[in-house]
Amino acid sequence: KNEVEQSPQNLTAQEGEFITINCSYSVGISALHWLQQHPGGGIVSLFMLSSGKKKHGRLIATINIQEKHSSLHITASHPRDSAVYICAVGRSSGDKLTFGTGTRLAVRP
Amino acid sequence: GAVVSQHPSWVICKSGTSVKIECRSLDFQATTMFWYRQFPKQSLMLMATSNEGSKATYEQGVEKDKFLINHASLTLSTLTVTSAHPEDSSFYICSANPGSLPYEQYFGPGTRLTVT
Repeated sequence: KNEVEQSPQNLTAQEGEFITINCSYSVGISALHWLQQHPGGGIVSLFMLSSGKKKHGRLIATINIQEKHSSLHITASHPRDSAVYICAVGRSSGDKLTFGTGTRLAVRP
Repeated sequence: GAVVSQHPSWVICKSGTSVKIECRSLDFQATTMFWYRQFPKQSLMLMATSNEGSKATYEQGVEKDKFLINHASLTLSTLTVTSAHPEDSSFYICSANPGSLPYEQYFGPGTRLTVT
């Protein structure tokens, strides 16, 4: 079993829909990262969380440390949100990350 | 935000040759850099942790003599793929860690290597 599991693996949504991507992990962590990778390959760090909730524009990330679970929400989805979203955890500050397999999101106009 | 660059962004080389990929932190000092490899439609796999001024720490299964890592300064780490083989064709990404709070990791844009 992978240390970091994401669901769903693939997601297709209609523009404007509310989207949720889930991440569960099985190890103790110092921080959880949500990353976005567009077809060109470059990776953008969206959030780094150690507790609670963070919001940036239409993106919201939450984490429940006790349940070892995090969610990434996208409100009012747009075709430009189409990308692969990756959850990654670090066991200690500044340590290497362990990655989930990613969720491939396609938002149709 | 902090910026990490990689050079080249793509490279084609012949089997048996070596190719060097650079990872630079442009506006911060990175005591630690990480090198990842990504195959099509797969997630990132950590290859090695590069520490400034010391030897890199390689993940299990990664050949240290094939993937040479040098972290000679606080802003530059290099990955050299030696005796390249078509199986080495992949997308290589680095990330850099400032080594201080909040211990964010900043990713480079990646280098696509094709070995013919």
